[in-house]
Amino acid sequence: DAKTTQPPSMDCAEGRAANLPCNHSTISGNEYVYWYRQIHSQGPQYIIHGLKNNETNEMASLIITEDRKSSTLILPHATLRDTAVYYCIVRPRLNDYKLSFGAGTTVTVRA
Amino acid sequence: DTGVSQDPRHKITKRGQNVTFRCDPISEHNRLYWYRQTLGQGPEFLTYFQNEAQLEKSRLLSDRFSAERPKGSFSTLEIQRTEQGDSAMYLCASSSPGGNTGELFFGEGSRLTVL
Repeated sequence: DAKTTQPPSMDCAEGRAANLPCNHSTISGNEYVYWYRQIHSQGPQYIIHGLKNNETNEMASLIITEDRKSSTLILPHATLRDTAVYYCIVRPRLNDYKLSFGAGTTVTVRA
Repeated sequence: DTGVSQDPRHKITKRGQNVTFRCDPISEHNRLYWYRQTLGQGPEFLTYFQNEAQLEKSRLLSDRFSAERPKGSFSTLEIQRTEQGDSAMYLCASSSPGGNTGELFFGEGSRLTVL
């Protein structure tokens, strides 16, 4: 599986957009980019995924570069409840049986 | 949909004792996963079931660990002769292969402390 690189931590002001980068330069053509987050003392929670096109749902937007070597997760209006560890994961197939988590980015939203 | 539930949420045990964790997946999900998470790290894959069949085990799952899913519903993870290095959060997840997102639904985990 392709490895991902994320900054260890970042801060964000409440109400502002949070842009979380992820590098996955060794991604292959059929691998998906997934984002999960883990709020303290809870299990990871799915946010969004994409293959080639940009994606948006009620939680976030995912921007994937044209060469697919990097992506950005955008939380449009961060709230204090968005404080969490965010994981960028590359997955071989849509229904592949496992996810390989890295250390993620600890995002702290400040009032 | 009551989500994935895990029991117990917290377990403190002495080194050398056996412990067992239970996971109840979302009812229509035929895939079940166990992960382990140590402090400051992301979850690490341990094992995976499709229905009652255990299809893969990580190298992290030593001989002291055993997981079962006898009727393809709930699952148990047993750790025998616990060691201090087993202290971690044990996470269970489930999924349905027919879903259009490939999402894994995680429980809140069972935290093990070995003294």
